Amino acid sequence: EVQLVESGGDLVQPGGSLRLSCAASGFTFSSYEMHWVRQAPGKGLEWVSYISNSGSSIRYADSVKGRFTVSRVNAKNSQYLQMNSLRAEDTAIYYCARGKSDYGDSYYFDYWGQGTPVTVSS
Amino acid sequence: DIQMTQSPSSLSASVGDRVTITCRASQTIYKYLNWYQQKPGKVPKVLMYGASNLQGGVPSRFSGSGSGTDFTLTISSLHPEDFATYFCQQSYSLPYTFGQGTKVEIK
Repeated sequence: EVQLVESGGDLVQPGGSLRLSCAASGFTFSSYEMHWVRQAPGKGLEWVSYISNSGSSIRYADSVKGRFTVSRVNAKNSQYLQMNSLRAEDTAIYYCARGKSDYGDSYYFDYWGQGTPVTVSS
Repeated sequence: DIQMTQSPSSLSASVGDRVTITCRASQTIYKYLNWYQQKPGKVPKVLMYGASNLQGGVPSRFSGSGSGTDFTLTISSLHPEDFATYFCQQSYSLPYTFGQGTKVEIK
């Protein structure tokens, strides 16, 4: 059974840092691209980051570029999101999601973790 | 970045109604369009991918169509468990942007 389990969410002061983790199981982690998606309270979904299966290709949303760093350790079946210079607008539930390519003509997030809450407040 | 615009933002419907939600991309995304359902306090779940492919386990009352810039999600006959928020997402180019969501409420 595919499972994605996020951890590391917490209450942090503006300007602070936090490191989120996503532990994967039930599939060959090194074969899949991974994403982080966030959802602010009462709001919609916002894509945050992408990391290729090898970790060699990375992309970020403009809203987090220069502050957040995504990484992965395939040997540990895990991806991470290092969040620095946190702002109130980063308050959200952060989801880890697996990217699935279907015969090259579609791509979607087929599994999501339960999410970990991040609150940025003084 | 590609902008995704859903309409309506919310709708009220009754059990048994046919419901249609639309999603428009700011540029062509071919058929790289996905639909997700999210119930309150729950994790988003993929319903449709590649514009018209039903994810395994999703009831056949859900269907998707469109290509290029205009897409629709249709629920042929609304069931009580379908009351939720629906999001479209383009996966043609990063960043993989979402629409703002359509909340389907009980009339």
